[in-house]
Amino acid sequence: LAKTTQPISMDSYEGQEVNITCSHNNIATNDYITWYQQFPSQGPRFIIQGYKTKVTNEVASLFIPADRKSSTLSLPRVSLSDTAVYYCLPDTGRRALTFGSGTRLQVQP
Amino acid sequence: DVKVTQSSRYLVKRTGEKVFLECVQDMDHENMFWYRQDPGLGLRLIYFSYDVKMKEKGDIPEGYSVSREKKERFSLILESASTNQTSMYLCASTQQDPGANVLTFGAGSRLTVL
Repeated sequence: LAKTTQPISMDSYEGQEVNITCSHNNIATNDYITWYQQFPSQGPRFIIQGYKTKVTNEVASLFIPADRKSSTLSLPRVSLSDTAVYYCLPDTGRRALTFGSGTRLQVQP
Repeated sequence: DVKVTQSSRYLVKRTGEKVFLECVQDMDHENMFWYRQDPGLGLRLIYFSYDVKMKEKGDIPEGYSVSREKKERFSLILESASTNQTSMYLCASTQQDPGANVLTFGAGSRLTVL
């Protein structure tokens, strides 16, 4: 069972790059890691997913080191609207998809 | 636009009442999940289902049951609601794609038990 550890909270300013790291264990070579974003009073929504070293899409990048014991979500040039809770979810192929506590990101003007 | 719809956004119930939370998805997804979310505790898995009439316990199933009679519908049941079940409940679904699941969540149902 891949349990995850993330920082409880982070603070940043508009325009800065934010990196949120998720530590986990028991991640196999082909296990995907998915990150979700959640705004207050809404359900989480998908941001990015990958299993290789680096994945980039229009909103974020995902870095996975060779030892696969962690992953880092990188948000370039954050804005106030990026204030949210971010969750990582390693998918080890088990049917039970279990989240950790998430990271609350607060972006200041 | 694909959707997971939770029937009630806000509910207020009394202790001992039976509560039904309904969730419907229109994506023909195999897997459906119920989570509860409390401040500081993240998302905790209550039950999940990977096929019609199939169900498995998650991390915190006590006090809850579920029903999946049709593929698109997954119901969470509180047989006798208690105040410690006051929470936000989130339903999610995903296609049967081992290792690369992407969950689609509903908007949530905020339950208050008095």
